[in-house]
Amino acid sequence: AQRVTQPEKLLSVFKGAPVELKCNYSYSGSPELFWYVQYSRQRLQLLLRHISRESIKGFTADLNKGETSFHLKKPFAQEEDSAMYYCALSPWEYGNKLVFGAGTILRVKS
Amino acid sequence: NAGVTQTPKFQVLKTGQSMTLQCAQDMNHNSMYWYRQDPGMGLRLIYYSASEGTTDKGEVPNGYNVSRLNKREFSLRLESAAPSQTSVYFCASSEQGRGDGYTFGSGTRLTVV
Repeated sequence: AQRVTQPEKLLSVFKGAPVELKCNYSYSGSPELFWYVQYSRQRLQLLLRHISRESIKGFTADLNKGETSFHLKKPFAQEEDSAMYYCALSPWEYGNKLVFGAGTILRVKS
Repeated sequence: NAGVTQTPKFQVLKTGQSMTLQCAQDMNHNSMYWYRQDPGMGLRLIYYSASEGTTDKGEVPNGYNVSRLNKREFSLRLESAAPSQTSVYFCASSEQGRGDGYTFGSGTRLTVV
C-alpha cells in the first residue's frame, strides 16, 4: 500500500539554522511528490512539487528514488517558516488523489 | 478570489445528530475532495469526486455520504454523528490529471459530544 512517513512530529530550530524535514514514501511505481504547508490560522497550501524542481521561499526538496525520500530543506530558517508541513504522494493508480503524511510542526525560535 | 469556500467554520453536534458540510469552488476545477485532519494522522481522504456526476470512497468513508451537486459544489453529510467524527474537515479541488496541486478550503472544525 502507498504510504508517506514523516518521522518527526515536531522539529524545533533556531533562526538562521539549517532545516531538514524528513519524508519517506512507500510506493513501487514512479511517484509524484509534494510538500504542503499550513501557517497558523491559514489554509493548507502547496509549497512545492518535485516535478517543478523549484525553490519556494528558500525551500528545496530532491526526490531520492533509491532511498524513497523527499526531504524538505532550507539552509537558513526564518521565524516566518514556523508552520505545519505535510509531505504528500500521488500514486499513479490513484489518479489525482493525494496520500498525506502525518505532518511535522516546524518551530523556529529567535 | 474566493477559491474554495467551506461552511460552517465551526460546529458542535450531539451524538446522533446529522449535518451537512458545504463546499463550493469557483475555479472551474473538475475534481473535488473531502479530507479529515486528525493529530498524528495527517489528512485522510473521506470521499472524492473526479468529475461532476461521479463520487468514490476514499480511505475513511464510513459514517459519511457525499453529493456532487454540480461542478462547483461538493457536500459532505454526517447522517448520525459520533464522537469519533470529531475532527477538522477540509474540502479541496484540483484540475484533473495526476500531480496537479490542490486548492484547499479553510476547514470546518467539528466537535461531536
